[in-house]
Amino acid sequence: AQSVAQPEDQVNVAEGNPLTVKCTYSVSGNPYLFWYVQYPNRGLQFLLKYITGDNLVKGSYGFEAEFNKSQTSFHLKKPSALVSDSALYFCAVRDFYGGSQGNLIFGKGTKLSVKP
Amino acid sequence: SAVISQKPSRDICQRGTSLTIQCQVDSQVTMMFWYRQQPGQSLTLIATANQGSEATYESGFVIDKFPISRPNLTFSTLTVSNMSPEDSSIYLCSVDTSEYTGELFFGEGSRLTVL
Repeated sequence: AQSVAQPEDQVNVAEGNPLTVKCTYSVSGNPYLFWYVQYPNRGLQFLLKYITGDNLVKGSYGFEAEFNKSQTSFHLKKPSALVSDSALYFCAVRDFYGGSQGNLIFGKGTKLSVKP
Repeated sequence: SAVISQKPSRDICQRGTSLTIQCQVDSQVTMMFWYRQQPGQSLTLIATANQGSEATYESGFVIDKFPISRPNLTFSTLTVSNMSPEDSSIYLCSVDTSEYTGELFFGEGSRLTVL
């Protein structure tokens, strides 16, 4: 069965500093990996994804993530954090196995707090 | 991408009543999904709704409690039946616009509070 782990409930960063939000996964087949962001009282917004190709993927709002197959990780990063980046971040995985995609499974979420 | 509208955006309900949430998409999609996000929690998949067939429910969710309709390729409803305070959650509709791209697009959610 597929699963996603986000080991940190909260990440605190000063504005202008780099940020990392961690994610590890477990799947049976090939992983499709995603990051979503949720602002207060809003739905989920898609940030970026990895399906195949370059291990470093770039997404919206200056975010990027690095796929590491050996460590089964897909950490979200940004070189310089903004106060407006403060939100709840979800890592998610879909298992591509047997020629079809599985359901999208979410991690528990990490609250990012960026202070001025 | 897809634009997804959910109604109601929020509601306060009495214990024992039922509420139907509507999800409208601006394009035809094959697969629609309903998720639940309990307070302070992650998203849990309730069921997958495909047009022309019965919804497929995940473990822990049953049709009698969460009946789903999918009358066409742009619309779905989720009913939360016989509500209790434990059903207080955000319910999110999402769609898969392509079997090749992988990502889902989400509505703004329907925040239900059951008293």
